[in-house]
This record gives sequence, structure tokens and C-alpha cells, in this order.
Amino acid sequence: GQNIDQPTEMTATEGAIVQINCTYQTSGFNGLFWYQQHAGEAPTFLSYNVLDGLEEKGRFSSFLSRSKGYSYLLLKELQMKDSASYLCAVEDSNYQLIWGAGTKLIIKP
Amino acid sequence: GAVVSQHPSWVICKSGTSVKIECRSLDFQATTMFWYRQFPKQSLMLMATSNEGSKATYEQGVEKDKFLINHASLTLSTLTVTSAHPEDSSFYICSAREPRGGQPQHFGDGTRLSIL
Repeated sequence: GQNIDQPTEMTATEGAIVQINCTYQTSGFNGLFWYQQHAGEAPTFLSYNVLDGLEEKGRFSSFLSRSKGYSYLLLKELQMKDSASYLCAVEDSNYQLIWGAGTKLIIKP
Repeated sequence: GAVVSQHPSWVICKSGTSVKIECRSLDFQATTMFWYRQFPKQSLMLMATSNEGSKATYEQGVEKDKFLINHASLTLSTLTVTSAHPEDSSFYICSAREPRGGQPQHFGDGTRLSIL
């Protein structure tokens, strides 16, 4: 079956760095997406990885290793507004998005 | 960037009412749109994939006669919750993706449905 695993919840301190991991087992691979979802709102797109390596976008970076079925989202200089759920999603060989359950990130002052 | 518009954002109605939710892609043509449901503190659950000009593909356990999907044009998909009951109360979100490869799904703002 298809499976995406990410931690349920993480806590970090304002100004610090946090890494949210995602491991996946899917039928084929056409890319991995990270989304941010604030409580009561729809998800917003953060990043996309299809090749191995690191993609950097300001304070956020996303890494992919296809051979390991592994990705992480790195958030630097954490701000209180970064408190949200972070969703990992993999596009399989049928271009269907398989969603992880999300990681709730709690930022403390 | 790509924008998806979803209306209404909030619906409160009596049990037995049918509710229609619209999802529009504003600056691109979407041959495929997706409908999700999310209960409080739970993950996104894909309900169905809406294909322009053809029948929607429903996920296992989703009643196609209860959740009617129409994708009549390349920019509009609608979800109708027929004869809604309190257990249908949820956050419904649509998304669409540009047809080019490697493009993310862009989400509408969601519709919060409360059935009394």
C-alpha cells in the first residue's frame, strides 16, 4: 500500500530552527510537495521537490532523497506565525497526490 | 500566481437541505479538480477527483449519490451535498492544478458547512 509518515506534533522556540521529516512508500514517484495549513484554513503551497537535493525559499528549505524515500522541511528563524500544520504529499505514478496526516508545529516564545 | 476561488465560505442550514459549493480556477484551465473534506483536528481526506466532461472518480466510502460533482467547464467544478444531515458538517475544500507537469495543487479557501 501507499504510506506517508510524518511526526504528529513538534514544538520549537521562536527564532530557532526546526526540521520536519517525511518518509514515504508510494506506487511510483512524480514529486513531493509541502503545504502549510493554519487552523481553520485551507492549505497553502510551500515547496516542490522532484530531484534529489535541497530547494531553498527564504526561511523555508525542503530536501529530498528519492533512494531513501525521505524528505524534510527546514524552517529557520521561526516566528510565532509559523505555528501551523505542515503537510507532506507525494504524487504517485498516476499523478494522484497521497497526503500525510500532517505535523502540527507549536512555536513557543 | 494560480488562484482558485471557492464559494460559499460558510453555510449553515437545516437538515435535509441540499447545498451546492462552487470551485473556480481563475487564471488557468483545470481539466482536473479535487474535492476534500476535513473534520476538526483531522487530516485532509480526498473525496473525489472531478474530471472535465466526464464522471467524477470517487474515493472508497464516499457516496456518489450523496455528493454530486459536476465539472461542466475547464474552470468550474461544483459539489452538491444532497439532503445534508448533521454528520455531513465539515470543512470542504477544493483544489485545482495547472495541467503542466510538476505543478502543485492550489486550494480554494474552503467551505465550512454546518447542518443543524
